[in-house]
Amino acid sequence: SQQGEEDPQALSIQEGENATMNCSYKTSINNLQWYRQNSGRGLVHLILIRSNEREKHSGRLRVTLDTSKKSSSLLITASRAADTASYFCATAPGAGGTSYGKLTFGQGTILTVHP
Amino acid sequence: DAGVTQSPTHLIKTRGQQVTLRCSPKSGHDTVSWYQQALGQGPQFIFQYYEEEERQRGNFPDRFSGHQFPNYSSELNVNALLLGDSALYLCASRPPGQEDYGYTFGSGTRLTVV
Repeated sequence: SQQGEEDPQALSIQEGENATMNCSYKTSINNLQWYRQNSGRGLVHLILIRSNEREKHSGRLRVTLDTSKKSSSLLITASRAADTASYFCATAPGAGGTSYGKLTFGQGTILTVHP
Repeated sequence: DAGVTQSPTHLIKTRGQQVTLRCSPKSGHDTVSWYQQALGQGPQFIFQYYEEEERQRGNFPDRFSGHQFPNYSSELNVNALLLGDSALYLCASRPPGQEDYGYTFGSGTRLTVV
């Protein structure tokens, strides 16, 4: 089953614009991760935010986490054509459970950045 | 430093056959997870191996089985293939004792069942 739901399903922007993707989840989490996938191949880990963190930055990426709303957002600033890919959020279950190693992915957002 | 290596890249099998997919984790990683990704969907967790044992399992039937070897490499076996098993199968690895750590994924094996 898919815990995360991402919004929008598809996003089309021009180079230089910012892209914002949102993710909602249902159960308690230990951390939330964002991955990128190009052309249906392997996933690349972008950033991880722990349940006790509210915001994290990595280069042009900014992730926020609101555990009270069970939601996260990924912001890509000054987008480039090379950012064109599918982006997935994935949640790791809350500590204390037996499923700490399992990631539950959303269905992803397809981002297209036009040159 | 090689990342996660999966073989083969592509595979075509006939319904009812059996298939074995292979994964070598990134150097220094000991935990291996397998995911199934249908077209247009997010990956779904199949199972995870650590210390040569299956530690967690997702909602997949017993037709899906695996193994981890002493060198941490892993195999995914699927018996009695169904058309619905057609998907991209992804292997991911993680360093020891790093539960709060992102996974490194391989490029996947594209399985087509005809």
